[in-house]
Amino acid sequence: DTAVSQTPKYLVTQMGNDKSIKCEQNLGHDTMYWYKQDSKKFLKIMFSYNNKELIINETVPNRFSPKSPDKAHLNLHINSLELGDSAVYFCASRGTGVGEQYFGPGTRLTVT
Amino acid sequence: QQQVKQSPQSLIVQKGGISIINCAYENTAFDYFPWYQQFPGKGPALLIAIRPDVSEKKEGRFTISFNKSAKQFSLHIMDSQPGDSATYFCAAYNGGSQGNLIFGKGTKLSVKP
Repeated sequence: DTAVSQTPKYLVTQMGNDKSIKCEQNLGHDTMYWYKQDSKKFLKIMFSYNNKELIINETVPNRFSPKSPDKAHLNLHINSLELGDSAVYFCASRGTGVGEQYFGPGTRLTVT
Repeated sequence: QQQVKQSPQSLIVQKGGISIINCAYENTAFDYFPWYQQFPGKGPALLIAIRPDVSEKKEGRFTISFNKSAKQFSLHIMDSQPGDSATYFCAAYNGGSQGNLIFGKGTKLSVKP
């Protein structure tokens, strides 16, 4: 069983489009995250949700909007995509172990 | 400061050698220091972690050394194998139920046969 899953794995789209990435975790965790990993492999947190409530919202353009329909799902919607949005986006979840996060396989977004 | 500084950026080691990756932090409120391993095309996976009240933690060939006074910690990979070739991230947790991990910039390790 996959602990944290993301769809799609790859996403190629044109500038200006709107796209969504879905994330689901079956670990029963209360906290979920979205990270962006750029071409230099730098991992930067974007959002954190705890039990469907937004906890952390780092400096991210408001074109990015997370949505958590329930505590097992955290989706990321991106409006008006730009070239600079090209990156790998990771969803993660955290259990009771402090700092112990479980990452999904990532979604490689390419904006052309 | 919320930064975690990691070095080196890349590392090449011969099979059987010791790989050492170093990290430093400023914020004394950090209370958990994990290392993550990431293979190409995969998400980062927790490798080993330590709390600041412990100076060393060993799991198999992987050891974390922690120096609280110097605010530094390092990952040692003994008897490095080609299968260890990956990108390694150190991180620090900034505490509480609503905290999050601050990641270093990663070290790409290549172990040559």
